[in-house]
Amino acid sequence: GEDVEQSLFLSVREGDSSVINCTYTDSSSTYLYWYKQEPGAGLQLLTYIFSNMDMKQDQRLTVLLNKKDKHLSLRIADTQTGDSAIYFCAESNTDKLIFGTGTRLQVFP
Amino acid sequence: NAGVTQTPKFQVLKTGQSMTLQCAQDMNHNSMYWYRQDPGMGLRLIYYSASEGTTDKGEVPNGYNVSRLNKREFSLRLESAAPSQTSVYFCASSEMGKLSGNTIYFGEGSWLTVV
Repeated sequence: GEDVEQSLFLSVREGDSSVINCTYTDSSSTYLYWYKQEPGAGLQLLTYIFSNMDMKQDQRLTVLLNKKDKHLSLRIADTQTGDSAIYFCAESNTDKLIFGTGTRLQVFP
Repeated sequence: NAGVTQTPKFQVLKTGQSMTLQCAQDMNHNSMYWYRQDPGMGLRLIYYSASEGTTDKGEVPNGYNVSRLNKREFSLRLESAAPSQTSVYFCASSEMGKLSGNTIYFGEGSWLTVV
């Protein structure tokens, strides 16, 4: 079945870049997503990429997709303390999303 | 701009009690979903409804039932709560029964504790 994997923790210094990685198994995935969850809140869609693209940039966010290796990454430039949250990778190919375990990003001064 | 509304936000149940989580969306979406979130396990799909009148099992349906009352509402019922169902539950909705890049919306979550 489908599976999406992420590392659980990432710690970076304020002002540095953060790179959160994700691997998935479903080669027929149509869209891949990054969601952000702040403490006590729901999930907020950050960005997404269609499977026929290999890169998408949106302000401080850069998504890279290596479809051959089924690897997705999210780069956050100039990471701020407000970026501290859990980041979820997700994939879909029909009408439901499969989520990864989430990566907790901690930003320290 | 209500979006997806879930109730209750917090609930404590005793083992064996029943309860229903309510979810409503005001975006005229066809598809609705119930996920549970547990530490270190991400979000797991419990049930989903691709359109009014249909429901399908997700990854972890055991111990739950759902009802798609109408296009707006999708409820999740625990008939006999167990401590293993202590979790945060998220309802979500999406457009047209097929996800595109920016049309899935989540509620704010319901924190359920079973003692």
